[in-house]
Amino acid sequence: DQQVKQNSPSLSVQEGRISILNCDYTNSMFDYFLWYKKYPAEGPTFLISISSIKDKNEDGRFTVFLNKSAKHLSLHIVPSQPGDSAVYFCAAREGSQGNLIFGKGTKLSVKP
Amino acid sequence: EPEVTQTPSHQVTQMGQEVILRCVPISNHLYFYWYRQILGQKVEFLVSFYNNEISEKSEIFDDQFSVERPDGSNFTLKIRSTKLEDSAMYFCASRPGSSYNSPLHFGNGTRLTVT
Repeated sequence: DQQVKQNSPSLSVQEGRISILNCDYTNSMFDYFLWYKKYPAEGPTFLISISSIKDKNEDGRFTVFLNKSAKHLSLHIVPSQPGDSAVYFCAAREGSQGNLIFGKGTKLSVKP
Repeated sequence: EPEVTQTPSHQVTQMGQEVILRCVPISNHLYFYWYRQILGQKVEFLVSFYNNEISEKSEIFDDQFSVERPDGSNFTLKIRSTKLEDSAMYFCASRPGSSYNSPLHFGNGTRLTVT
């Protein structure tokens, strides 16, 4: 039972263009959503987050959009850079203890 | 910037043996977690720890698993009798208690190989 779904296992984008990574969730009780980036042989690195009371959060080249009615969030990276090539995980918080439920990840490749 | 550190980076053990994975969370953090990622699969929650006790655990975290904070800095995960299916990357994470919406900070993981 996947509560957090990333339906695209991979995405390839040209350098300088926009990368859009998508995530869907099923549990309407999730109240905090995060995106993590992961390089091989490293742990997930926090990228950006959004509370369920907002619909957009921006940090430099990274913007996260939340559509609560559709239970959908997306991460926009613009402009994309080769160093952005990594696996991106969407995560949602379950419970007051802060436990995160992760999606399966999307591997982003940014080509020069 | 403060980091979560995990040791060892790679642990090889025989089936049935006990292993202890070690973590040093960020010093002023109050919530601690263990996650694992089996090769090719998603990152899965194992257990959360707060105020010197387990606050939540998943179905994966059965009687073979235990966690401990033996002193003020270390946070350990023990697997009592390892099975082949315990082979995975194990990630420790921590977060501060000051803000309800604060992200988890992860270590670089311990790769556990059970043979």
